[in-house]
Amino acid sequence: DSGVTQTPKHLITATGQRVTLRCSPRSGDLSVYWYQQSLDQGLQFLIQYYNGEERAKGNILERFSAQQFPDLHSELNLSSLELGDSALYFCASSVAGAKRGQQYFGPGTRLTVL
Amino acid sequence: ELKVEQNPLFLSMQEGKNYTIYCNYSTTSDRLYWYRQDPGKSLESLFVLLSNGAVKQEGRLMASLDTKARLSTLHITAAVHDLSATYFCAVDSGGSNYKLTFGKGTLLTVNP
Repeated sequence: DSGVTQTPKHLITATGQRVTLRCSPRSGDLSVYWYQQSLDQGLQFLIQYYNGEERAKGNILERFSAQQFPDLHSELNLSSLELGDSALYFCASSVAGAKRGQQYFGPGTRLTVL
Repeated sequence: ELKVEQNPLFLSMQEGKNYTIYCNYSTTSDRLYWYRQDPGKSLESLFVLLSNGAVKQEGRLMASLDTKARLSTLHITAAVHDLSATYFCAVDSGGSNYKLTFGKGTLLTVNP
């Protein structure tokens, strides 16, 4: 158990809908990262937040957005969902300090768009 | 743009044999990570390699990093069935963020 929690574990929805994925980082970790894993694209970095501020952006679609709240939990919002958005979405957290880059991954949310 | 290439992508081994997985990356970085993923599960951190020449060992797995060659290797010694999983290497982009760029992964199957 990495200490990172994600909810829900599974999500099934229809095209055009909007969903929110939630992540709670390990206690004390200030950075949260979101990744998408699919058979086509492999593991891709989406976005990073550090202490409430966006720090880095990867291949994140405009239909997707994220935020990190004062209690450091993060939410990834996916809207106007398409079939191709079906994937495993991971959240990871890190101290982003002395142990540079060591990221701990949550269990993931499996999103199925029908 | 940082690119990370792993090979082989598929590896079928017999128990007791040795093998090496290779991870090449395209730009300068001195931070490389190895993760393991079981089917349908999350990523488990195996090794963190933070400098040129770093070597880490855990059980039957040993990882090394050559930053000049931009190459990391994950060596498997006397494979056992429990090592069957997908192994990913990942490199961070440096600077003020620590986003990881992953290789495509190596699906390792260890047969009795």
